[in-house]
Amino acid sequence: GNSVTQMEGPVTLSEEAFLTINCTYTATGYPSLFWYVQYPGEGLQLLLKATKADDKGSNKGFEATYRKETTSFHLEKGSVQVSDSAVYFCALEELSFGAGTTVTVRA
Amino acid sequence: GAGVSQSPRYKVAKRGQDVALRCDPISGHVSLFWYQQALGQGPEFLTYFQNEAQLDKSGLPSDRFFAERPEGSVSTLKIQRTQQEDSAVYLCASSIGTQGNAYGYTFGSGTRLTVV
Repeated sequence: GNSVTQMEGPVTLSEEAFLTINCTYTATGYPSLFWYVQYPGEGLQLLLKATKADDKGSNKGFEATYRKETTSFHLEKGSVQVSDSAVYFCALEELSFGAGTTVTVRA
Repeated sequence: GAGVSQSPRYKVAKRGQDVALRCDPISGHVSLFWYQQALGQGPEFLTYFQNEAQLDKSGLPSDRFFAERPEGSVSTLKIQRTQQEDSAVYLCASSIGTQGNAYGYTFGSGTRLTVV
C-alpha cells in the first residue's frame, strides 16, 4: 500500500545552517505529496505541495522536489531561522503521514 | 469560520466511558478527515467524509469508533467504552475539494483524549 518514510529526528541546527529532511514514498500511480509543519502549541499547517513528477513546491524559503526516479520528496531550506523550530511531516495525499521530524534551531 | 474548530481541546475519560469529539470544518469545505495522532507519531487516518457521505472508514481501529456528519458540515467522532490505548490527539481536517484533490487540508488544533 501507499506509505511514506521520513528521516527520524530530532535535528538541532544553528541559525543560518542548511536543513534537509529526507522523505521517501511507496505508492501506486502518481499521488500528490505534501509537507506539513506543526509549530509549538499549534495545529498542522500545509507548508508546500507537489502534484506530479519533477514539480517543485516552495514556501517560506523551503523547497521540495517530487522525484519519481528516487521516489523522494526531500525538504530543504538554505538558511534556517529560530522561528523554523517545529515538527515537520511528510504526507502522501491525505492518507499517509510520516512520523514527523522535530527541528530545533539555536540562535 | 476562519479555520477548523475542534472541541473540547482536552478530554479526560474514565476507562469504559463514552466520549464525543466535535469538528467544525471551514464553511463550504466538501472533504472532512479524522485522524488519530499518538505521541511522537504522525497522524493516522481514521475516516473520510465527502459532504455527508462517509466514503472511507477503513482506518477506524474497532467498532467502538463511530463518526458521522449528518448535514455535511459539523462532524462528530464517538468512541464507546474507551480504553487506555485510545489515548491520543484526535485531529480533524477539511478541504474544499474531494479526496486526492491536491489542495491540501486545513487542520484543527485537535482534541487530546486521555483515558484513565
